[in-house]
Amino acid sequence: EPEVTQTPSHQVTQMGQEVILRCVPISNHLYFYWYRQILGQKVEFLVSFYNNEISEKSEIFDDQFSVERPDGSNFTLKIRSTKLEDSAMYFCASRGGQGRFQNTEAFFGQGTRLTVV
Amino acid sequence: EDKVVQSPLSLVVHEGDTVTLNCSYEVTNFRSLLWYKQEKKAPTFLFMLTSSGIEKKSGRLSSILDKKELFSILNITATQTGDSAVYLCAINNAGNMLTFGGGTRLMVKP
Repeated sequence: EPEVTQTPSHQVTQMGQEVILRCVPISNHLYFYWYRQILGQKVEFLVSFYNNEISEKSEIFDDQFSVERPDGSNFTLKIRSTKLEDSAMYFCASRGGQGRFQNTEAFFGQGTRLTVV
Repeated sequence: EDKVVQSPLSLVVHEGDTVTLNCSYEVTNFRSLLWYKQEKKAPTFLFMLTSSGIEKKSGRLSSILDKKELFSILNITATQTGDSAVYLCAINNAGNMLTFGGGTRLMVKP
């Protein structure tokens, strides 16, 4: 069964360092997302990406964050200068459909646990 | 701002019990309501509901949506220890992003 895969599963980084979290969405999906979940809190939307551009982003997704789909299969989230409060589980998700407004479910990867020390 | 509230926050039952989990929401431009099960890491998809009054079923799990009263319920009958998880309700709006509730933590004791 196709699945969303994320690497690494766990990343520890020092405050101020850049991190790149990687995701391989399901191959025929068109819509891609990053969500995060701080320990013990809700899953929060960060950004959605469609047709090679950001379609929506939340207030959390500030200038320190960026996303890229460099090669047609990977979908990356970069945090330029990590802060302690960026420590969280980051989930990538993808959704199929033929167009932006097609109503289909999102499938989540297993997540990357980011720990900023 | 879209809002999703789940209740109860947590629930402890014994195997064989039936449970009902609640999700109420406020959203502009509703498209669908989704239920996910989160065990250790990733939320895994259970149901997507778009129309009121149509029950979705998968084995011992079922769910229904009321778009007039803005809520959904997830029922699990004959619970098993493997049903222990956090159950997440999320709303998909016109922007196609999911707004999650805080989840209901279900523990099923043998």
